[in-house]
Amino acid sequence: KQEVTQIPAALSVPEGENLVLNCSFTDSAIYNLQWFRQDPGKGLTSLLLIQSSQREQTSGRLNASLDKSSGRSTLYIAASQPGDSATYLCAADTSGTYKYIFGTGTRLKVLA
Amino acid sequence: GAVVSQHPSWVICKSGTSVKIECRSLDFQATTMFWYRQFPKQSLMLMATSNEGSKATYEQGVEKDKFLINHASLTLSTLTVTSAHPEDSSFYICSAYSGRVADTQYFGPGTRLTVL
Repeated sequence: KQEVTQIPAALSVPEGENLVLNCSFTDSAIYNLQWFRQDPGKGLTSLLLIQSSQREQTSGRLNASLDKSSGRSTLYIAASQPGDSATYLCAADTSGTYKYIFGTGTRLKVLA
Repeated sequence: GAVVSQHPSWVICKSGTSVKIECRSLDFQATTMFWYRQFPKQSLMLMATSNEGSKATYEQGVEKDKFLINHASLTLSTLTVTSAHPEDSSFYICSAYSGRVADTQYFGPGTRLTVL
């Protein structure tokens, strides 16, 4: 059974720092992995989706990598801003139909 | 881009009553819709997969008689929480998938259910 975990559970950094969020999954047979942002009490905003054949995806200050063999994905946020404060979730698709197993989340706080 | 809506955005009900939550794909036909539940300070847990015109498939530990899912059309799926109790209070999020629009899926904004 696929399990997805995220480390750290919470992170507080000063504005401007570069940071890395980690996501681990136990079953490497995934079709894609997606990173989401969730603001308090809100729904999900998709940030980056990496297909199983890809190694990384970039969007603006965000870069996500995928290493299936080691069961890891990382989300790199460059030059963090207070507006980046949110919970970041990674999710693995193990069926090919976007049926996701979500990670435990990392609560990020960027201090001004 | 494609949009998925949920109604209501929040609901408060008394224990023992039933609550219906709607999930609509506004500008595309969703062959599959997923229902997730998120308890406070926890991650999303998949409850069930709903395909248009067929019975929903429930994840282990989710009571199908308590959480009734109907996917009557390609743009609408409903989740009814029957005889709701305080422990059913949660954030319910749906997502809709259509391989025809693009090979991706879209999440709804969520519905917060509070059972008194």
